[in-house]
Amino acid sequence: KNQVEQSPQSLIILEGKNCTLQCNYTVSPFSNLRWYKQDTGRGPVSLTIMTFSENTKSNGRYTATLDADTKQSSLHITASQLSDSASYICVVSQGSSNTGKLIFGQGTTLQVKP
Amino acid sequence: DTGVSQNPRHKITKRGQNVTFRCDPISEHNRLYWYRQTLGQGPEFLTYFQNEAQLEKSRLLSDRFSAERPKGSFSTLEIQRTEQGDSAMYLCASSTRTGSRETQYFGPGTRLLVL
Repeated sequence: KNQVEQSPQSLIILEGKNCTLQCNYTVSPFSNLRWYKQDTGRGPVSLTIMTFSENTKSNGRYTATLDADTKQSSLHITASQLSDSASYICVVSQGSSNTGKLIFGQGTTLQVKP
Repeated sequence: DTGVSQNPRHKITKRGQNVTFRCDPISEHNRLYWYRQTLGQGPEFLTYFQNEAQLEKSRLLSDRFSAERPKGSFSTLEIQRTEQGDSAMYLCASSTRTGSRETQYFGPGTRLLVL
């Protein structure tokens, strides 16, 4: 079964600290993996996208890694800010899909406290 | 604003009523997707259009759900005889394929509450 699982389910950190979110997937064939940020009551916004051959991608204070062999990805947030409080969703696209249908994880809810 | 827009943003209805949501994609995007998201979960795929053609529907999309994109621009999602289990956020996304990559841009969603 094609699945994307994320951990932890929720996380609370202090402003300025770093954190790492995890994503494991069992999607085959694999096309690409994305991390989205979703603020409460808003639609998801893409942070990074990585294909099979890419194992790291940065977007400002966000750095995503991908290990296609172990089917794991992580999202590292550096020097967290209050505005980083959101749900972070790992999304995997199947390589065989012509529709671009994405398989979403359940998300990790991050709360950054002052 | 050139992003994806959805209307209404919020809808409260009584069980058994019909509701219709609208999505206006980014103008040059030929692909349009509908997703449903319940609290604490990631979005679940409902259906997908390429231009005006509905190419795929999830088994989550029961007979009470219908989606259209008549002119290949905006799309509507109608739910007939709403049930309390339909309460969720309904997200629309649009995209255009560039090579092997495709980034979906999401709208703000329509939050539905069925009483």
